[in-house]
Amino acid sequence: NAGVTQTPKFQVLKTGQSMTLQCAQDMNHEYMSWYRQDPGMGLRLIHYSVGAGITDQGEVPNGYNVSRSTTEDFPLRLLSAAPSQTSVYFCASSYPSTGRLGGEQFFGPGTRLTVL
Amino acid sequence: GQSLEQPSEVTAVEGAIVQINCTYQTSGFYGLSWYQQHDGGAPTFLSYNALDGLEETGRFSSFLSRSDSYGYLLLQELQMKDSASYFCAVRPRSDYKLSFGAGTTVTVRA
Repeated sequence: NAGVTQTPKFQVLKTGQSMTLQCAQDMNHEYMSWYRQDPGMGLRLIHYSVGAGITDQGEVPNGYNVSRSTTEDFPLRLLSAAPSQTSVYFCASSYPSTGRLGGEQFFGPGTRLTVL
Repeated sequence: GQSLEQPSEVTAVEGAIVQINCTYQTSGFYGLSWYQQHDGGAPTFLSYNALDGLEETGRFSSFLSRSDSYGYLLLQELQMKDSASYFCAVRPRSDYKLSFGAGTTVTVRA
């Protein structure tokens, strides 16, 4: 099992550029989510999905789009990058359970994004 | 969203015991989770409390009291490798979003 994989590991963009952060998992988890983490801060939810074809907004969705065409993949698109989007981005997956399985999320290694 | 409060930093010596508190304001949630994150790494799951009481996993224990809106993570026999950030998180009954606290940085000194 590869678990949750993310690409790229590092990325530098110029203001106004767009790009897609890739996330894939091989654990057949229905629930997937994207977080951003800024220095000294916790994880803030950007978007999440409870299954293929279903997505919803999290706490900080502005400037980001997602889609979920398969169970395995959950890409995050930055539409027009801004310096405020400089952050570390983590993708995570879990079972959509209300019990322990739902409370245990598996995180990818993260993408470190810098917007100049 | 949910509001979870944790102390920002804790420092202790090797072999000591550290308790990281997490207080929350939410009308209802399924359980309280704890995650560990080393510098530059991804968060990793440590424990989950669905019911009130203590859950023990090796040197780490986690506690939940719904009536007090409070939980804690207990780190025993501290080791240098325990230096990391620790986050509490809850999933509310209203949706599938997992909300995280801002995290507590634990520094273990020799």
